Amino acid sequence: NAGVTQTPKFQVLKTGQSMTLQCAQDMNHNSMYWYRQDPGMGLRLIYYSASEGTTDKGEVPNGYNVSRLNKREFSLRLESAAPSQTSVYFCASSVRQILTYNEQFFGPGTRLTVL
Amino acid sequence: AQKITQTQPGMFVQEKEAVTLDCTYDTSDQSYGLFWYKQPSSGEMIFLIYQGSYDEQNATEGRYSLNFQKARKSANLVISASQLGDSAMYFCAMREGLSARSQGAQKLVFGQGTRLTINP
Repeated sequence: NAGVTQTPKFQVLKTGQSMTLQCAQDMNHNSMYWYRQDPGMGLRLIYYSASEGTTDKGEVPNGYNVSRLNKREFSLRLESAAPSQTSVYFCASSVRQILTYNEQFFGPGTRLTVL
Repeated sequence: AQKITQTQPGMFVQEKEAVTLDCTYDTSDQSYGLFWYKQPSSGEMIFLIYQGSYDEQNATEGRYSLNFQKARKSANLVISASQLGDSAMYFCAMREGLSARSQGAQKLVFGQGTRLTINP
């Protein structure tokens, strides 16, 4: 199993350009997440999808959109990139559990620089 | 709002010594979960250990243990017999309480992390 995969690994954009970060998982997880990690900081939740067909905002959703394409794939789109969106982006997935907790499995991250 | 505080930006420890990484949290939920993740210089996030708010025993996973003091709202990570490969960033995170609102999603709030360096 590949686990959680993300593409691309690195990307440089100019201010105002758009791009989509791709994420896929092969662990049959229902829930998927997008986080960003700024230098010297912890991860902050951008958007999440509790199950296929649903998406919801996290702590820092402004400037982003998401699409839960199917159970495996969850993409993050920057419509008009800004320098403040320079960050490392992590995708994660987990089992959907109503009554208990489970760990999240993280992808390797995408390092995005906006000039 | 939930909050995680890690007050140690960096720690330096001699190999084979035990180390404690501090984590305090703030929440109004009665039911919550606390996680520790390791991030080596390569950048990936590695799950280490989990503690539920209703768990009576402190969690342990190999050389990792979690010193959970609910009244003090602390969940410190203890690494016994540290190794050079333990050098990394360590993040404490909290999962909000289980509720219909979360729809089963495991939304996490992270602290700022502690950079641990193990010296030979």
